[in-house]
Amino acid sequence: DTGVSQDPRHKITKRGQNVTFRCDPISEHNRLYWYRQTLGQGPEFLTYFQNEAQLEKSRLLSDRFSAERPKGSFSTLEIQRTEQGDSAMYLCASSLGWDSLIYFGEGSWLTVV
Amino acid sequence: AQTVTQSQPEMSVQEAETVTLSCTYDTSESDYYLFWYKQPPSRQMILVIRQEAYKQQNATENRFSVNFQKAAKSFSLKISDSQLGDAAMYFCAFRGAQKLVFGQGTRLTINP
Repeated sequence: DTGVSQDPRHKITKRGQNVTFRCDPISEHNRLYWYRQTLGQGPEFLTYFQNEAQLEKSRLLSDRFSAERPKGSFSTLEIQRTEQGDSAMYLCASSLGWDSLIYFGEGSWLTVV
Repeated sequence: AQTVTQSQPEMSVQEAETVTLSCTYDTSESDYYLFWYKQPPSRQMILVIRQEAYKQQNATENRFSVNFQKAAKSFSLKISDSQLGDAAMYFCAFRGAQKLVFGQGTRLTINP
């Protein structure tokens, strides 16, 4: 089994541009999570999916953020009209069920200049 | 809502000695899991140890052990025989029926 993979690993973008991150969970994992982590802080929950259904969204996920998991496999996180405050690492994680271990990807670093 | 609090932003320990990292949490759920994750400079989140709330016995993984006090909602991590490779950010995390909630982290430094 390969682990959770995220792409791109690093992204530098100008303020106002749109960016999209992709996450490929571990095969057969039905739960997929997105977190945001800024330097020196713990990861903050953004949203999670069970299969293709988005079951919870954090208040942190403003209307500029959208996440999808169209076929219950990979997921995308899009940030529209990026702001400097969006600079962070975006972590994806997956699990087989609610009580099974959660595995994290290596994260996607976003720098907004 | 669940909250996880790590009151020690930084800790340091001499190599080969023992250190304890503190964590408290708040929840109304009765069935949950608690975790300690390690995040080295590479930023990869690595699971250190897991505790099921229904188990009274404290979890142990080699040099890592926990002190789980359910009534006090306390979940501390003890690292014995500290090694240079243990230097990292350590995050305490709570998982109920839905998502994983993290604490703010403790930066652990190992002094040679």
